[in-house]
Amino acid sequence: DADVTQTPRNRITKTGKRIMLECSQTKGHDRMYWYRQDPGLGLRLIYYSFDVKDINKGEISDGYSVSRQAQAKFSLSLESAIPNQTALYFCATSGAGLYNEQFFGPGTRLTVL
Amino acid sequence: QKEVEQNSGPLSVPEGAIASLNCTYSDRGSQSFFWYRQYSGKSPELIMFIYSNGDKEDGRFTAQLNKASQYVSLLIRDSQPSDSATYLCAVNDQTGANNLFFGTGTRLTVIP
Repeated sequence: DADVTQTPRNRITKTGKRIMLECSQTKGHDRMYWYRQDPGLGLRLIYYSFDVKDINKGEISDGYSVSRQAQAKFSLSLESAIPNQTALYFCATSGAGLYNEQFFGPGTRLTVL
Repeated sequence: QKEVEQNSGPLSVPEGAIASLNCTYSDRGSQSFFWYRQYSGKSPELIMFIYSNGDKEDGRFTAQLNKASQYVSLLIRDSQPSDSATYLCAVNDQTGANNLFFGTGTRLTVIP
């Protein structure tokens, strides 16, 4: 089984709808991240969490919210989706410490019409 | 604003040649550096990391780091068509968050 899973893998929705993207991990990592990727803009950090009670905004948090339900679960919500939130969304996890790599989930392709 | 700069490419090399991918970063205090490979529509996967100045080799891949010049590179020897992908450079944020900043990636095409 994959270490980091994301659901759904693809989603098409309409402007104004509420959308939740879910991420689960079996790596036992404390740190979890949500990124979005747009062509030509690379990976941009939306939110990150170092444990269940520690959630922080990233570079582009406006229009998004998150919930860390457990060490293994980190959800991203779009309260009222808009077309410029159409992107590829990745969840990632890492251990603590300076030299820990991040492990990525398979991604969710979200289209907002 | 911390920046990680990569030439977006595309970089095309013939099969069997050496591909050289470059990255510069703005945060002089950064201490860990990562190269990720991303196939189209897939998630990034780590192929190399480097923390110390100099070269680090792993199979056909060599990462090179020069902290004084704030420069990190990835060499791929004996390039194969399966190496065709986008390569992302990532640099750590030296503040307490220790997050990663990613470059926009260099698209590599290996021509058979």
